[in-house]
Amino acid sequence: DQQVKQNSPSLSVQEGRISILNCDYTNSMFDYFLWYKKYPAEGPTFLISISSIKDKNEDGRFTVFLNKSAKHLSLHIVPSQPGDSAVYFCAASGTASKLTFGTGTRLQVTL
Amino acid sequence: DTGVSQDPRHKITKRGQNVTFRCDPISEHNRLYWYRQTLGQGPEFLTYFQNEAQLEKSRLLSDRFSAERPKGSFSTLEIQRTEQGDSAMYLCASSPPRGIDTQYFGPGTRLTVL
Repeated sequence: DQQVKQNSPSLSVQEGRISILNCDYTNSMFDYFLWYKKYPAEGPTFLISISSIKDKNEDGRFTVFLNKSAKHLSLHIVPSQPGDSAVYFCAASGTASKLTFGTGTRLQVTL
Repeated sequence: DTGVSQDPRHKITKRGQNVTFRCDPISEHNRLYWYRQTLGQGPEFLTYFQNEAQLEKSRLLSDRFSAERPKGSFSTLEIQRTEQGDSAMYLCASSPPRGIDTQYFGPGTRLTVL
């Protein structure tokens, strides 16, 4: 039972353009959502988060949008840079505190 | 470096052997988590400590797995009688006292069971 889904395994975007990564969830008890970036052979690096009481959170080039009614969140990266090339994981937590992760989206930013 | 540290970074072992991994969380963080990640998947929750108390265990944590956090600081994860299916990246994360749910991950321990 995949409670957090990232339906796009990969995404390719040109440098300078916007990258949009999507995530859907099924568990209505989730109230905190996070995005992590992961390079090979390293642990996930925290990028940005959003509480269920908000619909948008922005940090520099990264913005996360949350649509609770659709159980959908997205990460926007503007402008995309070659160093952004990595695997991005969406994660969610509820009262249980543990994180439930999606399967990841591999982002490639091309020159 | 004041981030989460894990040791060893890599471990190769033969099937049937026991292995132990260590995690040192960020110093002021009282919550500590273990996750396992296999190829093509996101990290999967294994277990969670608040201070020295183990508050939750996943059904993924079979009886061959045991985790401890004896003094509420570092934690160890032991796998007994390793199987080839245990090959994975084992990740440790920590987070501050309740109210801030962001978890910060260590670099992971890559286990290969031959």
